[in-house]
Amino acid sequence: DVVMTQSPLSLPVTLGQPASISCRSSQSLVHSDGNTYLNWFQQRPGQSPRRLIYKVSNRDSGVPDRFSGSGSDTDFTLKISRVEAEDVGVYYCMEGTHWPRYTFGQGTKLEIK
Amino acid sequence: QVQLVESGGGLVKPGGSLRLSCAASGFTFRDYYMSWIRQAPGKGLEWVAYISSASIYSDYADSVKGRFTISRDDAQNSLYLQMNSLRAEDTALYYCARENWSSFDFWGQGALVTVSS
Repeated sequence: DVVMTQSPLSLPVTLGQPASISCRSSQSLVHSDGNTYLNWFQQRPGQSPRRLIYKVSNRDSGVPDRFSGSGSDTDFTLKISRVEAEDVGVYYCMEGTHWPRYTFGQGTKLEIK
Repeated sequence: QVQLVESGGGLVKPGGSLRLSCAASGFTFRDYYMSWIRQAPGKGLEWVAYISSASIYSDYADSVKGRFTISRDDAQNSLYLQMNSLRAEDTALYYCARENWSSFDFWGQGALVTVSS
């Protein structure tokens, strides 16, 4: 089974400063169709998860452009260029390459310093 | 707009059964694969089960295989999760989610299942 490992698990950030979350998979996430199905979700306190990024770097509709995803093979990153108060919550990476056995990372809790 | 509304959660004793429902609207339900995902209190996300369009295929996490059954009624735009032989470790908020690009683009608000004597 694929294991997704996020770091850090806790991320205190000053408003207006950048933030970065790493996600590493135990196996390559390159699918036989050539795509890499690595996703990022945001879960604000008391809310359902919301997808931010799919296929490594594609932002969902309505997601601010301060969020960006990058990476390849087994190593991926979610970056927030300037953290805002509404970004507080838990961020999860999730791989869909080994569909339908989706695997989530443990989550990274972002808080304002 | 896309809406997914779960219902059917509640308190059940260990060994008991419960059936969750998810009412979908705002999109052509029959065209999409659907999944259930759960989140234990204070914990992370765990994929539970998926069902393909036309109910041709389904699959389950090892933790629920043989106890849970996913189904859908495209005429009613509804997704279901029949949960039998429930255990304390099944206590969680259960989300239904629409699949898109080997991912989940819309989620419901969740239905809370508590397994306790």
